Amino acid sequence: DVKVTQSSRYLVKRTGEKVFLECVQDMDHENMFWYRQDPGLGLRLIYFSYDVKMKEKGDIPEGYSVSREKKERFSLILESASTNQTSMYLCASSSIVRETQYFGPGTRLLVL
Amino acid sequence: SQQGEEDPQALSIQEGENATMNCSYKTSINNLQWYRQNSGRGLVHLILIRSNEREKHSGRLRVTLDTSKKSSSLLITASRAADTASYFCATDLDTGRRALTFGSGTRLQVQP
Repeated sequence: DVKVTQSSRYLVKRTGEKVFLECVQDMDHENMFWYRQDPGLGLRLIYFSYDVKMKEKGDIPEGYSVSREKKERFSLILESASTNQTSMYLCASSSIVRETQYFGPGTRLLVL
Repeated sequence: SQQGEEDPQALSIQEGENATMNCSYKTSINNLQWYRQNSGRGLVHLILIRSNEREKHSGRLRVTLDTSKKSSSLLITASRAADTASYFCATDLDTGRRALTFGSGTRLQVQP
């Protein structure tokens, strides 16, 4: 069965902290994605990766960076967390870009 | 406004009734997908319809696509309380963009 896991379900951080969100998939997918979800705004793409060490900016990359050193793992980094980064973060993967995506359970991040 | 806008934003029906949600988009697409999200969880892929298809079925789900009107609808027949969730459409735009574009979703409440 397809599985995408995220390192934390809930996270509370302080303004200015460096935050790491990790995502792991066990489907050998080339493509991995990070979204944030806010009420009324749907899902907005932060970054995606189409291969190891390859990445492409999404719609809202400012304040975020990513790392993909291994095929199964895609990390989202908040270099200096701010309160406006309080959100639900969703990771997804797919074998064919622009086709079916498999999502993790999400990480609800609160930045105080 | 965003691509893949769902309508209505919220829908409340009684168990056994049919639920119809609509999605409109602005530019040509290669495919359109529907996803479901239970409260506070990740998204689950429901169905994908390609631009050369007009209708697709999966169990109690029926999706139609009208490329001339740039719209799609998702029909859930004989709804159940367990169908209560948010439903999102996602478009694969024919623009060279390498990722899906998600709408803001329809919240469906099925009253038992």
